[in-house]
Amino acid sequence: DAGVIQSPRHEVTEMGQEVTLRCKPISGHNSLFWYRQTMMRGLELLIYFNNNVPIDDSGMPEDRFSAKMPNASFSTLKIQPSEPRDSAVYFCATLLGAGVTGELFFGEGSRLTVL
Amino acid sequence: AQSVTQLDSQVPVFEEAPVELRCNYSSSVSVYLFWYVQYPNQGLQLLLKYLSGSTLVESINGFEAEFNKSQTSFHLRKPSVHISDTAEYFCAVSGRGSNYKLTFGKGTLLTVNP
Repeated sequence: DAGVIQSPRHEVTEMGQEVTLRCKPISGHNSLFWYRQTMMRGLELLIYFNNNVPIDDSGMPEDRFSAKMPNASFSTLKIQPSEPRDSAVYFCATLLGAGVTGELFFGEGSRLTVL
Repeated sequence: AQSVTQLDSQVPVFEEAPVELRCNYSSSVSVYLFWYVQYPNQGLQLLLKYLSGSTLVESINGFEAEFNKSQTSFHLRKPSVHISDTAEYFCAVSGRGSNYKLTFGKGTLLTVNP
């Protein structure tokens, strides 16, 4: 298996623009997580899906952020409008099962820079 | 809620020296504990985990960690490091009642010098 695939790997955009980050989970993994990594706050869980249903979005910073999982093989994280403070590395991670007692598999991340 | 404190943000060591990366956690419930490793420009990978049973857990590449409930610690150790161990190491905790939610520490950058 190719692992968790994220795109784009790097994105540079201007403040106010819409940003869409994409994730293809490992086939068969039914839990999907979006994390954000910054120097100041470290790794933060943004949202968790189980069987394509959002279970916990309490980590989504504000209404400018939205995430979808229309099917078991695809998820998006959208920021609209983007702001400089959104600059971070965004990771998608997936898990076989529903609990983290299993192993979380991370993608290589999408590095977002908002100017 | 859980929290994790990694006491050292950077640990430089020489090759073949022993190393300990410290991790303390706080939780009002029983926990699962994890160490993840992140190599440059990559995502995180699971290194080892404590779920139950023996408090000493080992990874396939020579790292070990010991769960100490009284000291609420889960320190990571390796008796002899290699240059290839250079990476950032993250301690993480999950409460057994909400076991999908991992709380990560801020990470410790281990740099192994020749």
